Amino acid sequence: DVKVTQSSRYLVKRTGEKVFLECVQDMDHENMFWYRQDPGLGLRLIYFSYDVKMKEKGDIPEGYSVSREKKERFSLILESASTNQTSMYLCASSSSIDRDRGELYEQYFGPGTRLTVT
Amino acid sequence: KNQVEQSPQSLIILEGKNCTLQCNYTVSPFSNLRWYKQDTGRGPVSLTIMTFSENTKSNGRYTATLDADTKQSSLHITASQLSDSASYICVVSASTGGSYIPTFGRGTSLIVHP
Repeated sequence: DVKVTQSSRYLVKRTGEKVFLECVQDMDHENMFWYRQDPGLGLRLIYFSYDVKMKEKGDIPEGYSVSREKKERFSLILESASTNQTSMYLCASSSSIDRDRGELYEQYFGPGTRLTVT
Repeated sequence: KNQVEQSPQSLIILEGKNCTLQCNYTVSPFSNLRWYKQDTGRGPVSLTIMTFSENTKSNGRYTATLDADTKQSSLHITASQLSDSASYICVVSASTGGSYIPTFGRGTSLIVHP
C-alpha cells in the first residue's frame, strides 16, 4: 500500500512565523505535490516536484516555497505566515509521468494538515 | 484554460436511495478522468479512472460513465449508505507533456441521512 504521511494533522501558528509542513512517501514516487483546499474552491496546486531538487510553481505559489532534498520528502515552507494562509494543506505523490503521453499516474494523498494562522 | 465543473455543489439524500453526480470538463487533449472520494478530514482516495476508450467503470456501488464527445462524466451511487457521506471530486488529466498536471473540480458534497 502506498503511504503518504504528513508531519502534523493540526497546526496553529502566529502571523509572521515561519512554518514548515513535511510530507513523506514510501513508494519511491518521482512526483510530489502540495495543494491547499478551501471551502468552495476545491484543491489548488501550490508547487510540485518531479525529481529531487526540482520544483515548479503551481497555480498559487505566492507566499510559499518548497524543498525536495530527498526523493521521499517534500517540504512546504511558509516564509512568513499570514491569516489568509489558514487552510487545509494536502500532499500527494505519484509515479513517473509518461512524458510521451503526458499521462500522470494516480496521485496518492496524505491525510492533510489543517493549519490555522492567528 | 482547462476547467472541470461539477454539479450539484451539494446534495442530501436518504439512506438507501440512489444519486448521480455530474462532471463537465474542457480539458484538452483528454487523457483520463478520475473520481475521488474525500471523507471529512482526510485526503482524497481514487474511486475510478477512465481513459478515452472507456465509457463506464464500476467499483462496488459506484459506477462512473464517460462521454468523451460531450466531455461529460457522471458518478452514480447505488443504494447509498451513511458512509457515502463525503466530497466527490472529478479530476481530468491532459495527454500532452505541456499540460500534464491534473485539473480538479471543486467537488460535490454528499450527505446521506438515515
